[in-house]
Formats: sequence, C-alpha cells, structure tokens
Amino acid sequence: DAKTTQPPSMDCAEGRAANLPCNHSTISGNEYVYWYRQIHSQGPQYIIHGLKNNETNEMASLIITEDRKSSTLILPHATLRDTAVYYCIESGGGADGLTFGKGTHLIIQP
Amino acid sequence: GAVVSQHPSWVICKSGTSVKIECRSLDFQATTMFWYRQFPKQSLMLMATSNEGSKATYEQGVEKDKFLINHASLTLSTLTVTSAHPEDSSFYICSATKGDQPQHFGDGTRLSIL
Repeated sequence: DAKTTQPPSMDCAEGRAANLPCNHSTISGNEYVYWYRQIHSQGPQYIIHGLKNNETNEMASLIITEDRKSSTLILPHATLRDTAVYYCIESGGGADGLTFGKGTHLIIQP
Repeated sequence: GAVVSQHPSWVICKSGTSVKIECRSLDFQATTMFWYRQFPKQSLMLMATSNEGSKATYEQGVEKDKFLINHASLTLSTLTVTSAHPEDSSFYICSATKGDQPQHFGDGTRLSIL
C-alpha cells in the first residue's frame, strides 16, 4: 500500500498557482519524495524529486517541511494541459520500484 | 532527454495467444527497467523489476511463468504475456532508470484480450 496521503481531487483556475499537498509522515531518512503526473491514457511523467531541501525545475517547485513529514508541489502558472492525476511517492530511488497511491486529480478550470 | 518508447501502443488478440511488448530507452542506457500494470480507474501496480543480463524480480502475486520478462540489453526489455485471457486485459507500462536517476515511463500498451 502507498505510504503517502493526498487529497483525491483539487480544482485550480488557469493562470493561478496550483499547490498540491502530500503527507508522508513515515518517510525514512534515506527516502526521497518523488512527484509524477499521469494524463489520461498515457504513462506517468516525472516532475521533480527531493530529499530534504526545496527543489525547483522548469516544471515545478517542491517544498519539503523541515521534519520531512509533508511536502507541497507547486505549479506556478497552471494551464489546461496541467489537468492530470498527480502522484506523490516515497522511494529510495534508483532500482526501487515505485508504489503508486490514488494521487490527486487536479482539474484546471478555464 | 530520458525518452522511453513502448511498442505496440495497443493490441487486441484472441484468448490463448501470447503477446510481446517492447520497452526501449532511446537516449540512455538503462541499468534497471520496471513493468507496471494499471486496471481501469486504478493506480499503477508494480509487476516486476528487471536488470540487464539477470532474471527479473517479480512482485508477490505476479506469475513469472505467465509474464515473461527478458532484459537482453541496456536499452531493451520485453514483456511477454503468455496464453493471455480476458482477465489479463489491462494497461501495461514500462519504466527505465540509470543509476540513481528518476524512473522515466513509456506511454503504455493497452492490451485487450477477446
């Protein structure tokens, strides 16, 4: 079973920042937080990952709390194409398979 | 970078036949490849982990004799569903990684068994 908890769905207005929360209170010291998204009928797309520091790339920002028990994925300027199911996953990385939970269905409203 | 290609994207076949799905890492050499399955309205479930040149490691409940995995090179892994039946109909997705890099996924294969 997935060890992370996410809200099942969220709405966000186009052009606004989308903030997706994730709880991972049982995360181990050597586990990363990974974020993927899946657009309908496609394979998951890697977004970002982090260990304890905040991370930013061309797609998103990842804010991890100091105790590492939760994190927030930020899409700074959401577009309609960002509508997808977003998965937050704990993993040691590399050769570890990923355990997907139910994710958050993010719907961007025009 | 980090492109993973899967073929075919969809296949329909009769019950009892075998189906082979290919997964290729196009621009990197994958030390590990993974196979997942996704049923409608459900999340992805890991089926097996495959390292080049060695036998795949299957998750509990996945029949290794039914789902044959071959990882013959650093850029190619294949999944063969043997004697497929309607209950094997699903969305099969592969991913690949190199070292500690994040997994990158193919676009999946939709398998329908009649």
